[in-house]
Amino acid sequence: EDQVTQSPEALRLQEGESSSLNCSYTVSGLRGLFWYRQDPGKGPEFLFTLYSAGEEKEKERLKATLTKKESFLHITAPKPEDSATYLCAVEGLGNEKLTFGTGTRLTIIP
Amino acid sequence: EPEVTQTPSHQVTQMGQEVILRCVPISNHLYFYWYRQILGQKVEFLVSFYNNEISEKSEIFDDQFSVERPDGSNFTLKIRSTKLEDSAMYFCASRLIGGDKSPLHFGNGTRLTVT
Repeated sequence: EDQVTQSPEALRLQEGESSSLNCSYTVSGLRGLFWYRQDPGKGPEFLFTLYSAGEEKEKERLKATLTKKESFLHITAPKPEDSATYLCAVEGLGNEKLTFGTGTRLTIIP
Repeated sequence: EPEVTQTPSHQVTQMGQEVILRCVPISNHLYFYWYRQILGQKVEFLVSFYNNEISEKSEIFDDQFSVERPDGSNFTLKIRSTKLEDSAMYFCASRLIGGDKSPLHFGNGTRLTVT
């Protein structure tokens, strides 16, 4: 069974203070690893898909990286509007479902 | 940018009643999904739907649940006899194609409250 563990559960940063969120996973053949952002009362908003170890993707202040066992979401010089819950999910080969972690609740303090 | 839309945004129902949650996926997408999120918990997979049939379902998706694509645009989730533990946010999602080249796009959910 696919499993995803995210850490930390919550993270408070000062505006401009860079950090990283971790996503550890186990899956029997990785089809894709997904990062989503979720604001309160909203649905997950797609950020990135990573497919193979060594891959990196960037979008504004966010950069996602992937190894065979974990993924990191690096946030550089965050702003208050980056405050949200960041979700990691994996999809294994041969199935049609995403398995989500519990997320990291990120708060950026002005 | 095209988006997945869900109605209603909030549904309150009494235990034992039937509810239908509605979704309009992105128009050219071919794969459709329902997920749910109980307050404070993970987003959980319920069911995937392709080519007018269920392609995969979870243990949560028992005989009380059903899905339908009644026309070319809507995708519905029916719960026949709601229980208190069905209270959750229900998210519809769609993707263009199956596999690793197409991410899932989620709607903003229907908050179901069973009293």
